[in-house]
Amino acid sequence: EPEVTQTPSHQVTQMGQEVILRCVPISNHLYFYWYRQILGQKVEFLVSFYNNEISEKSEIFDDQFSVERPDGSNFTLKIRSTKLEDSAMYFCASLTGTGGDEQYFGPGTRLTVT
Amino acid sequence: ELKVEQNPLFLSMQEGKNYTIYCNYSTTSDRLYWYRQDPGKSLESLFVLLSNGAVKQEGRLMASLDTKARLSTLHITAAVHDLSATYFCAVDMKYDGSQGNLIFGKGTKLSVKP
Repeated sequence: EPEVTQTPSHQVTQMGQEVILRCVPISNHLYFYWYRQILGQKVEFLVSFYNNEISEKSEIFDDQFSVERPDGSNFTLKIRSTKLEDSAMYFCASLTGTGGDEQYFGPGTRLTVT
Repeated sequence: ELKVEQNPLFLSMQEGKNYTIYCNYSTTSDRLYWYRQDPGKSLESLFVLLSNGAVKQEGRLMASLDTKARLSTLHITAAVHDLSATYFCAVDMKYDGSQGNLIFGKGTKLSVKP
């Protein structure tokens, strides 16, 4: 069964450093998303991406965040200058966009900023 | 702003008992999702509810949607220990027919004890 994959599974970085989180969505999916979940809290929407551009973003997704689909398979989230409060689990999700379907979530990347 | 409220946030049940988790949301939407999350794991899709009156069942779990009341329920029948997890409802922000971004409730942490 096709699945969303994410790398790395765990990333430790120092405050102020740049990180890139990678996702490979399911191949025939058209919509891509990033969510984050701070430990013990709810899942929060960050950004959605369709047709090679951001379709929506939340207040959390400020200028330090960016997303890219550099080729036909990868979908990346970049955090330019990490802060302690960026420590969270980051989930990538995708869906086909044909209507009525669900978002499939990847296993997540745990980001720890020290 | 769409708000999604779940209750209860914590639920301790005995095996064999029945209980219902409630999910209220604040604005019009006809797409509601239930996810299960085990500790440290990703989100597993349980149900996709797409219309008023939708009812879906899988094993000991049954979900329903009342769009007029803006309420979804997840009913647990004869709980077993394996159902212990955190359950999230999520509402699609876009109610104009296109898929949008999911707004999650805070989750209900279910613990089923023998």
